[in-house]
Amino acid sequence: SQTIHQWPATLVQPVGSPLSLECTVEGTSNPNLYWYRQAAGRGLQLLFYSVGIGQISSEVPQNLSASRPQDRQFILSSKKLLLSDSGFYLCAWSRDAGELFFGEGSRLTVL
Amino acid sequence: ILNVEQSPQSLHVQEGDSTNFTCSFPSSNFYALHWYRWETAKSPEALFVMTLNGDEKKKGRISATLNTKEGYSYLYIKGSQPEDSATYLCAFGVDSSYKLIFGSGTRLLVRP
Repeated sequence: SQTIHQWPATLVQPVGSPLSLECTVEGTSNPNLYWYRQAAGRGLQLLFYSVGIGQISSEVPQNLSASRPQDRQFILSSKKLLLSDSGFYLCAWSRDAGELFFGEGSRLTVL
Repeated sequence: ILNVEQSPQSLHVQEGDSTNFTCSFPSSNFYALHWYRWETAKSPEALFVMTLNGDEKKKGRISATLNTKEGYSYLYIKGSQPEDSATYLCAFGVDSSYKLIFGSGTRLLVRP
């Protein structure tokens, strides 16, 4: 069966510090991978998606970036965090354009 | 800007009540409509993925309908139970892309 894991689960970082959230999928090959963010009181916002290694589509211009160094690994990064980057980040995978399977989420607080 | 609206924002019902929520989405460039249930301290889980106008899907006491021409979907819960308490999210799939646009959700609380 397929599983998805993301970490860390909780992160408190100062403004201006770097960020790295990691997500891995097991039990499937060539998944579509996604990073979503939920800001306080709002819905899920698509940040990045990837349909293959090295293929990243960015949906929202911001100081975040994503990389897919391996088929089942998706990394969300920032060189310098802003206060507005605080939120709940969810990684997800899908086959084709079907239903999403979400990770456990990472709560980021930028102080 | 594509917008997905969900109503109501929150809903409190008694155990045994039936309830329904609405998801409104653009009627053009439709590809798919997803419903997810997001329980506290868990990950969102898919309930339904619907692609055809007039689709009706059912899973136990939960069902959903889809009207792509007018741009809305209804989610129904029959005989609500406390374990149905969760945030229900709908998401609109654009064209044939992998891009899903989520609504802000309906938070349901079912009182025993």
